[in-house]
Order: sequence, then structure tokens, then C-alpha cells
Amino acid sequence: ETGVTQSPTHLIKTRGQQVTLRCSSQSGHNTVSWYQQALGQGPQFIFQYYREEENGRGNFPPRFSGLQFPNYSSELNVNALELDDSALYLCASSHNRNSGNTIYFGEGSWLTVV
Amino acid sequence: AQSVSQHNHHVILSEAASLELGCNYSYGGTVNLFWYVQYPGQHLQLLLKYFSGDPLVKGIKGFEAEFIKSKFSFNLRKPSVQWSDTAEYFCAVIPNYGGSQGNLIFGKGTKLSVKP
Repeated sequence: ETGVTQSPTHLIKTRGQQVTLRCSSQSGHNTVSWYQQALGQGPQFIFQYYREEENGRGNFPPRFSGLQFPNYSSELNVNALELDDSALYLCASSHNRNSGNTIYFGEGSWLTVV
Repeated sequence: AQSVSQHNHHVILSEAASLELGCNYSYGGTVNLFWYVQYPGQHLQLLLKYFSGDPLVKGIKGFEAEFIKSKFSFNLRKPSVQWSDTAEYFCAVIPNYGGSQGNLIFGKGTKLSVKP
């Protein structure tokens, strides 16, 4: 167990809908990152939050947005869902943004867009 | 843009065979290097990491990796695999921008199947 919990574990949405995925980081971790892992691919960085502010973003369109709350939990929101958004969405937490700290992953949320 | 290449998409071995999974990255500066494993239905777990020092790194479950800076490589090895090592293995890199944590850049993964 990594202490990083994600919900929901599985969900099915229709193209054009909106989805919110949630992540509780490990206790004491103030940095949360989100990754998208399409089938047969490695995880790809979506964005990172540090102390409630976005701290870096990957090559994803603006319809992918996020939030981090004062307790360092986080949400990933995706608007106007497309079929290609079907993937495993991973949340990862770490303590501060220092590159030397270990990053812990949750089990992910499987999103299917039909 | 930085990238990570894993040479093998799917490796099939018999139990007790030796394993080496290749990983190369493209970034000229200092990097932190990782190998993660993803067992079926489970979260990504850290096998080992390299930040600095001895380029031969030992991880959990008998895995080790060697960082060869001149080759931009960080290959994963295990002398004798077990059926329970069946999983997908991901090499990942964080370019070190002066101590600030960049994001993990993953390879596409190598699926390892170990036959009993």
C-alpha cells in the first residue's frame, strides 16, 4: 500500500460528458501529479500541483484541468470527453517538489469513454 | 523533448533464466533514473532508483540496474527470474533542473512473461 487512494476505480462515460477523478495523497505529501496511461503505453504526465498551485503541465489540452485542496488531495477534471481519453489515470504524490524524493502512485482510475 | 526508449515490448523467459531489460534516455544533463513494476491489477511500484554515486543500484526482489552515463542507459537485470516476476516494467527519468522536481518521463514499458 502506498497511501495514495484514488476514486472511482472504474467508470464509463459518454463522449462529450465531463468527468472528475479524485486522489488522496499520502500523509505529509504536498505534491500531487496526474498521469494518463493509455493501453499499451507508459504513463504520460498531465500536470502537477504543489501547495494548491499548478506547478507544471504536460502536452494536454485545456479541457484537462485540476485542483489541489488545502489537505493536498486533488481532482482531475476532463471536459468534453473524447474516445481517446479512455485510459488509466494515475495519481502520484511526493513530499515537496525535490527531485530526490520518492514518488508514490495510486492504483488508478480506469476511464472508458463510449 | 526528452524521451525514454525501452527496447523490448514483450519478453518471454523460463523460470531461472537471466533477465536484462534495456532502457535509454535522451537528455544531456543530470537525471534521476527509476524502474517501476506494474503487476496485473496493481499500482506502479518502485523497483529501484538512481540519483548519484555507485552506478550499480540494487533494488527490491533481487533486481539491479546499471547506469552508464556515456551510453545514456539504465538497464535492469535479474540473475534468475521467477514466475512471480511476470509484470510490466517501466523505465522512467526525471531531468534534474537544479533540484526542482520535473515530472517523470516514462518509457512505453516492457511486458515480461515468465513460464513456470
